[in-house]
Amino acid sequence: EDKVVQSPLSLVVHEGDTVTLNCSYEVTNFRSLLWYKQEKKAPTFLFMLTSSGIEKKSGRLSSILDKKELFSILNITATQTGDSAIYLCAVRGSFGNEKLTFGTGTRLTIIP
Amino acid sequence: DGGITQSPKYLFRKEGQNVTLSCEQNLNHDAMYWYRQDPGQGLRLIYYSQIVNDFQKGDIAEGYSVSREKKESFPLTVTSAQKNPTAFYLCASSIGIWGSGANVLTFGAGSRLTVL
Repeated sequence: EDKVVQSPLSLVVHEGDTVTLNCSYEVTNFRSLLWYKQEKKAPTFLFMLTSSGIEKKSGRLSSILDKKELFSILNITATQTGDSAIYLCAVRGSFGNEKLTFGTGTRLTIIP
Repeated sequence: DGGITQSPKYLFRKEGQNVTLSCEQNLNHDAMYWYRQDPGQGLRLIYYSQIVNDFQKGDIAEGYSVSREKKESFPLTVTSAQKNPTAFYLCASSIGIWGSGANVLTFGAGSRLTVL
């Protein structure tokens, strides 16, 4: 059975701090790993990673995948209160295992 | 604007009653999904559909039913057989199941069901 484990489960930091969120996984026939941000209700897409070692970056957010060690990290620098959200990691397999498996999420709270 | 509309946003029901959650998309996506979100458990897949008139069970399908009579619509019925129905339900869609377009899901705003 596919498995995605995120850590920490929750994190509280002050505005301006840098945070690193972790995601480890086990999936049959790995195809991709995705990060989503869920602020109130609908998760919104952040990044999709398919190759090891390639960093995806968008402003203060960046993510990298290690396919050998089966994990990914999401980095947020110079955090702002608007970064407060649940961050979800998901993995997708292939060759008959296409469904997306989500982790439990990391709840990030930024204190002004 | 294209997107996914879920209704109702909040729903209360008594034990033993069936309830249907609506999900409509105007993105012209072939694939649609229903997830359940409970505190500390992330999103769990209930059902998904790759095409009209076809759907498959996800990881926690027991006590739920779906239909896919139109491409735009994928309603979820929570039946009285579902033991713990109180949860937040998210509908999503993607271009398809196969290929690179399948990777990114677009989500609706969710429906919160509370069983009294």
